[in-house]
Amino acid sequence: DIQMTQSPSSLSASVGDSVNITCRASQAIYNYLAWYQQKPGKVPKLLIYAASTLQSGVPSRFRGSGSGTDYTLTVSSLQPDDVATYYCQKYNTAPLTFGGGTKVEIK
Amino acid sequence: VQLVQSGAEVKKPGSSVKVSCKVSGGSFSTITISWVRQAPGQGLEWMGRIIPFFGTSTYAQNFQGRVTITADVSTTTVYLELSSLKSDDTAIYYCAREVEKGLWGQGTLVTVSS
Repeated sequence: DIQMTQSPSSLSASVGDSVNITCRASQAIYNYLAWYQQKPGKVPKLLIYAASTLQSGVPSRFRGSGSGTDYTLTVSSLQPDDVATYYCQKYNTAPLTFGGGTKVEIK
Repeated sequence: VQLVQSGAEVKKPGSSVKVSCKVSGGSFSTITISWVRQAPGQGLEWMGRIIPFFGTSTYAQNFQGRVTITADVSTTTVYLELSSLKSDDTAIYYCAREVEKGLWGQGTLVTVSS
């Protein structure tokens, strides 16, 4: 099975900063990569699918990039509302494995 | 389209639990439903999925032999059954449509406690 390694596990940044979260697959996943945001007590929310396609209604400060085995979620101009845990998920073939998560906090 | 899950459950160790996910709207024959769980304070864990039209299920290796995902086409409901429950199975269980649809159920808390 393909493993998904997400880093960092946590980060703290200031409002207005740009932050990057990376997800590395143990094999190529051909852009079948999604990013989710989860706030405490809430259902995960899809932000990006197909590595770089923004889900409808998601602010444009969220951007996905990457190919092959390496993918990045960039949040430009971090806002207080972005405090959450972020997960990647590969979905080219089963199992649809998630990364371990990245907890984002505001300094 | 909506995914509406059954209510919270409290189970004894060694028993089984069956959680339902009612699919409302859309065509039940063209969808795939996955089950994902989240233990308290932990990350998301994909458990398996079903294509209701074909009745075919695929399971994560971690749950092989303990999990069964089924679908009732007549009621457009998908079920997750987990057997031989342990305290480690205490979690919120979510059903979800295909990834690119971004649609999840509200979650069902399953508590395993003696």
